[in-house]
Amino acid sequence: EVQLVQSGAEVKKPGESLKISCKVSGYSFNNFWIGWVRQMPGKGLEWMGIIYPGDSDTRISPSFQGQVTISADKSTRTAYLQWGSLKASDSATYYCARAWTSGTFFDFWGLGTLVIVSS
Amino acid sequence: EIVMTQSPATLSVSPGETATLSCRASQSVSRDLAWYQHKPGQAPRLLIYGASTRDTGIPARFSGSGSGTEFTLSISSVQSEDFAVYYCQQYNNWRALSFGGGTKVEIK
Repeated sequence: EVQLVQSGAEVKKPGESLKISCKVSGYSFNNFWIGWVRQMPGKGLEWMGIIYPGDSDTRISPSFQGQVTISADKSTRTAYLQWGSLKASDSATYYCARAWTSGTFFDFWGLGTLVIVSS
Repeated sequence: EIVMTQSPATLSVSPGETATLSCRASQSVSRDLAWYQHKPGQAPRLLIYGASTRDTGIPARFSGSGSGTEFTLSISSVQSEDFAVYYCQQYNNWRALSFGGGTKVEIK
């Protein structure tokens, strides 16, 4: 069974750093892309970027370029999304999802990680 | 960036009725269009890809159609478990995947 298990909710202050995770099971981690999608409160879905764990090839949406880093650890079958300096506007739910290629749809999703950034 | 516009924002239907959701792209995406169902507290679920191909296990009452810039998701004989938010997503521009704003299907 394909599963993407995301890390728990986070409450952070502006300016702090954060790294959230997405641990996968049930398929070959190295052979599929993992994407990240943001959902701000009461809003729709926004594609942030995607990584191929096999060789760490990464594509970041122009809207998020320079704002986040996407990485993957093959040894633990885990993908990561991180911020160096959070802003209040980063408050959102973040989903990881599996894709067959870098530019396609997502066939399995995690439950999401809620990030609250507040002073 | 390709902008995806969904309408209506909210659709009120009675169980057993047919729901018709629309998704419009700001430029042609060919048939590179997917539909997702999202319920509160759950992971989004892939329903349709390639504009009209149902994913594994998706009931036949869900059907997708369209190409280019105009797409439709139809839910025939809406069931109680179908009340959710539905998103379309284009993947024709792989450098900038984009989603629509969503259509909430609610009980009338």
